[in-house]
Amino acid sequence: NAGVTQTPKFQVLKTGQSMTLQCAQDMNHEYMSWYRQDPGMGLRLIHYSVGAGITDQGEVPNGYNVSRSTTEDFPLRLLSAAPSQTSVYFCASSYQGESDTQYFGPGTRLTVL
Amino acid sequence: DQQVKQNSPSLSVQEGRISILNCDYTNSMFDYFLWYKKYPAEGPTFLISISSIKDKNEDGRFTVFLNKSAKHLSLHIVPSQPGDSAVYFCAASVRGTYKYIFGTGTRLKVLA
Repeated sequence: NAGVTQTPKFQVLKTGQSMTLQCAQDMNHEYMSWYRQDPGMGLRLIHYSVGAGITDQGEVPNGYNVSRSTTEDFPLRLLSAAPSQTSVYFCASSYQGESDTQYFGPGTRLTVL
Repeated sequence: DQQVKQNSPSLSVQEGRISILNCDYTNSMFDYFLWYKKYPAEGPTFLISISSIKDKNEDGRFTVFLNKSAKHLSLHIVPSQPGDSAVYFCAASVRGTYKYIFGTGTRLKVLA
């Protein structure tokens, strides 16, 4: 069991570039989510999904797109990167989402110049 | 507006003593609360949770207390160990919304 995996670990982008952060889990979890962690801000929910084909917005969804075509994968797309999106991004999954433990990936550190 | 607040950015405790980490919330609709521990360069890991129907939940050295009237929860670690040194986040949710709101974290340092 690899748990929750994220790629890449580090990424540097120029303003205006687009990219996709990958997240995969092998625990057959229905619920998956993306957070960003900024200094002094804690973790903030970007988007989440309660199952394949279903996604919804979190606290800070602007500038990000998600899709969930399979149970295992939940990629996060940055459409046109901005310096304000410099952050550490964490993907998480859980079996039921509502009350069960969320398992987090190791994170992707993104810098936008 | 921060709905979940951890007002102490850092805390230092001697090994073997009790560590008490605090968390306050403003949304009275929150009915499920969690604590996560985070080491540098790793993702957060789940520690302990509590539902609003309880006022205490215990798991080994970790106990979470919930005071609904004060909108306050605390995490007690007894005895504290050097391996407990990490950043601790509290989080809250309203069941059915699938949205978790995290506090800003408290960095705990346990001194040997």
